[in-house]
Amino acid sequence: QVQLVQSGTEVKKPGASLKVSCKASGYIFTSYGINWVRQAPGQGLEWMGWISGFNGNTHYAQRFQGRVTMTTDTSTSTAYMELRNLRSDDTAVYYCARATAGSSEYWGQGTRVTVSS
Amino acid sequence: DIVMTQSPLYLPVTPGEPASISCRSSQSLLDSRGYNHLDWYLQKPGQSPQLLIYLGSNRASGVPDRFSGSGSGTDFTLKISRVEAEDVGVYYCMQAAQPPFTFGPGTKVDIK
Repeated sequence: QVQLVQSGTEVKKPGASLKVSCKASGYIFTSYGINWVRQAPGQGLEWMGWISGFNGNTHYAQRFQGRVTMTTDTSTSTAYMELRNLRSDDTAVYYCARATAGSSEYWGQGTRVTVSS
Repeated sequence: DIVMTQSPLYLPVTPGEPASISCRSSQSLLDSRGYNHLDWYLQKPGQSPQLLIYLGSNRASGVPDRFSGSGSGTDFTLKISRVEAEDVGVYYCMQAAQPPFTFGPGTKVDIK
């Protein structure tokens, strides 16, 4: 069965960098993209960007441009999302999800990130 | 960016009764092939979101047939024919017509 397993809880200081991993199994990794979505405490869902599992092409939401990098390692079927220069308002749960034509059918369990001095 | 709105934002429901959520987009989500790039997700308390409906009206795998999606262009509706207690949570619509993909604010569904 399709599974996306994300890395664990992170606590970071302002200005630091974050790298979340998302290991996929149960499907051909290169046949699908990965969406990254985050959710601040008590808030709604926010799409951060998408990466192709086939060729690594990316599309980032404008508000994260310059601070985010999404990558994949096809040898391990793992996607990564790096966010730099963290601020307190980056405190959120970060999700990866398998993307099919934009839709996110399978989701990871979420990675809780706290940014605090 | 395409702006998504939902109504109502809070929906108290009675088990066994129908329920309906509206979603509107600031631009048409209909492509040249006739597909509406509109998804519905449900986030149950403490869980990751789950896909209910994709391309406006297609139920995702394993989704009960009491859930249905309709609409085209800029106006969409999610209907639950008979609400069950397990349907509580926050429902989001999301447009996947053009990046950045954007979500609606969410509709919280709770049992009366």
